[in-house]
Amino acid sequence: GAVVSQHPSRVICKSGTSVKIECRSLDFQATTMFWYRQFPKQSLMLMATSNEGSKATYEQGVEKDKFLINHASLTLSTLTVTSAHPEDSSFYICSARSSGTGTNEQFFGPGTRLTVL
Amino acid sequence: QQQVKQSPQSLIVQKGGIPIINCAYENTAFDYFPWYQQFPGKGPALLIAIRPDVSEKKEGRFTISFNKSAKQFSLHIMDSQPGDSATYFCAAANRYGGATNKLIFGTGTLLAVQP
Repeated sequence: GAVVSQHPSRVICKSGTSVKIECRSLDFQATTMFWYRQFPKQSLMLMATSNEGSKATYEQGVEKDKFLINHASLTLSTLTVTSAHPEDSSFYICSARSSGTGTNEQFFGPGTRLTVL
Repeated sequence: QQQVKQSPQSLIVQKGGIPIINCAYENTAFDYFPWYQQFPGKGPALLIAIRPDVSEKKEGRFTISFNKSAKQFSLHIMDSQPGDSATYFCAAANRYGGATNKLIFGTGTLLAVQP
């Protein structure tokens, strides 16, 4: 149980285009999902916390107009990188926290490799 | 006060050895301490987690030791195998966090287990 999927797993796009990444909890409901960015050989950096039915909470320094987050249902959150630039190339990982347990245990997706040319 | 310090940055052991990775925290409100394993190009996977009311927890070959007074915790991998070669992250959070609560990650340790 507790499986989180991401789609796509890998995407290459041209500079200036927008890219949408989906994060789904497959076998549980997730009131809260988290979006992270990870550069090579570095730790996970939290970008934002996504709560179902409300606006996302962004970490300091993360542009909310550039990284649009939508959490429309208890099993789906999306991250849209708008007007992508080469410096946005990174590994994007989502995680989901189960609504049922009330704990802080997070289950991570497999990640999405974004390359902006 | 929100930081979690992790060491060493990298570690090489021989097969069968016992690598030890250490983490330290400052925020006494933390009461949930998970360890994650990450292979290249994959998302992190939860290995084992501990609460501060116990000093040690074992799951298979993985053991967490916890020292509440020193605000330190460590991961031990018994009988390490080449398949354990990965990056390991410690983290900390409030176990029963609210909607905006979050995991604070350490900087990671790249472990290589040589055959």
